[in-house]
Amino acid sequence: ETGVTQSPTHLIKTRGQQVTLRCSSQSGHNTVSWYQQALGQGPQFIFQYYREEENGRGNFPPRFSGLQFPNYSSELNVNALELDDSALYLCASSYRTSGSYEQYFGPGTRLTVT
Amino acid sequence: AQRVTQPEKLLSVFKGAPVELKCNYSYSGSPELFWYVQYSRQRLQLLLRHISRESIKGFTADLNKGETSFHLKKPFAQEEDSAMYYCALKNRGSQGNLIFGKGTKLSVKP
Repeated sequence: ETGVTQSPTHLIKTRGQQVTLRCSSQSGHNTVSWYQQALGQGPQFIFQYYREEENGRGNFPPRFSGLQFPNYSSELNVNALELDDSALYLCASSYRTSGSYEQYFGPGTRLTVT
Repeated sequence: AQRVTQPEKLLSVFKGAPVELKCNYSYSGSPELFWYVQYSRQRLQLLLRHISRESIKGFTADLNKGETSFHLKKPFAQEEDSAMYYCALKNRGSQGNLIFGKGTKLSVKP
């Protein structure tokens, strides 16, 4: 069984640029959620994808967007980067059933915006 | 509003001492609560959930609806328990996404 993987591990961008982060879900999982974790804070929900459609969104502006692919992998795109976007971005996958929604987290991508 | 509060940023105890990591929540109705742990240089992982009423690595947590709390406890702390601990609440009406507290860093000294 393969766990959740994310790429890249780290990246540095300049304010105003665009960035794409990638996530491969754990084998057998069909749902992917993205979280932003600023320094000293807990993870904050950005959005979730299920069957290639956005299935819930947190309090983030539209310049945060995503995709889910048929193999359940996912991308997080952030346009017009701001300094406050500097954070650890976590991807979590789960198997959506009528019961538990236990989420399995990836190692994260550390984004620095200068 | 749904909210999770962890009042302590850092908790330092000696090995063998009891540990209690505090978590309070704000939620109308029946909450679904979790504790996640992040060991140094490892990913965030589920420690336990209240609906399972389980004990993992000696840790337990009881949901107290009257006090809106879900404190994490362990009678005898071990050095390997040193980690960052996050309390989380399942967002109402969502498909499993979580509202996290800010976390408590537990340091167990020898």
